[in-house]
Amino acid sequence: GQQVMQIPQYQHVQEGEDFTTYCNSSTTLSNIQWYKQRPGGHPVFLIQLVKSGEVKKQKRLTFQFGEAKKNSSLHITATQTTDVGTYFCAGETNAGKSTFGDGTTLTVKP
Amino acid sequence: NAGVTQTPKFQVLKTGQSMTLQCAQDMNHNSMYWYRQDPGMGLRLIYYSASEGTTDKGEVPNGYNVSRLNKREFSLRLESAAPSQTSVYFCASRTDGYSYEQYFGPGTRLTVT
Repeated sequence: GQQVMQIPQYQHVQEGEDFTTYCNSSTTLSNIQWYKQRPGGHPVFLIQLVKSGEVKKQKRLTFQFGEAKKNSSLHITATQTTDVGTYFCAGETNAGKSTFGDGTTLTVKP
Repeated sequence: NAGVTQTPKFQVLKTGQSMTLQCAQDMNHNSMYWYRQDPGMGLRLIYYSASEGTTDKGEVPNGYNVSRLNKREFSLRLESAAPSQTSVYFCASRTDGYSYEQYFGPGTRLTVT
């Protein structure tokens, strides 16, 4: 079945450093979503990417969808302590079900 | 507008006991989902329902059953709980149309001893 791999599993950064997490799918995706989960909380939707090569920005966050629609990345510029949490990608095929990656847990040292 | 609500928030079961996790959404969404999340892992789909009256298996359906009672409610039942079912369970619903955003409930933390 469809597999979605996400790396790295953990990332520890100093406040102000940049952060990137990568997501790779074994199959071509119709879309990919990104979610953030704070410790003890539930996943919260950040963005969706649909088009090949799409790039979207939300303030310090930049999301990219690969040309082949099999990989994606989330980049945070100048991390802040409010960015801590686990970031998940969720890849969806035309079947309408999302497969989540295992997430990247970000810790930020002030 | 409460979004997605789940009950209970916490539950401890003994092996072999049964229970039903309740989920309701007030956003008039057609699609609803049940996921489990184990420590350090992503969310794995247990069952989903694309519309009222339909359900389908996800990645890890064994040991679970679901009921889509109406458009608002989607329940998950454990018939005979096992320690391997200790997890956090999230219910989610999704907007219809072009957006693929899923809205998650607060989760149920289940421990099976």
